[in-house]
Amino acid sequence: AQSVTQLDSQVPVFEEAPVELRCNYSSSVSVYLFWYVQYPNQGLQLLLKYLSGSTLVESINGFEAEFNKSQTSFHLRKPSVHISDTAEYFCAVSDRFQKLVFGTGTRLLVSP
Amino acid sequence: EPEVTQTPSHQVTQMGQEVILRCVPISNHLYFYWYRQILGQKVEFLVSFYNNEISEKSEIFDDQFSVERPDGSNFTLKIRSTKLEDSAMYFCASRVDNEQFFGPGTRLTVL
Repeated sequence: AQSVTQLDSQVPVFEEAPVELRCNYSSSVSVYLFWYVQYPNQGLQLLLKYLSGSTLVESINGFEAEFNKSQTSFHLRKPSVHISDTAEYFCAVSDRFQKLVFGTGTRLLVSP
Repeated sequence: EPEVTQTPSHQVTQMGQEVILRCVPISNHLYFYWYRQILGQKVEFLVSFYNNEISEKSEIFDDQFSVERPDGSNFTLKIRSTKLEDSAMYFCASRVDNEQFFGPGTRLTVL
């Protein structure tokens, strides 16, 4: 069975500071990895994904994540956050059958 | 930009009543999913649906739950006799390639 661990339930950070949201996964098969973002009162939006190839993947709004197979991690990073990045971030894993298994989420709180 | 829509946004019902949550997936997608998120907990997979049949379901998806694609556009989740513990946000998703697109969710409150 697959599982995802997001150790940080909440990460407070000041605007323009760097941030890292941690994600570790467990799986016995090859995986696809995802980060989803949920803004208040909205659905889940895909932020970025790792399917194969380059282990470093980037989003259009400055986030990046690196797939590390030896450490079974897929941490999300951004070098300089904005107030508008305040949201809940979910890491998820799926196998070829495609159902998503989510972590418990990390609330990113960006303050001025 | 095409998106997944869900109705209603909020449903309040009495315990034991039947509810139907509706979803309109993105039109050219073939794989459909329901997930739920109990307040303060993680998003959990309920069921996946392809080619007019269930392809996978979780242990949460017991006999009280059913899904249907009654026409070419709607995808519904029915809970036959709601329990207090069914109170949650229910998300519909549809998939193309390896990306799932989520709707905004229906908040179900069972009293």
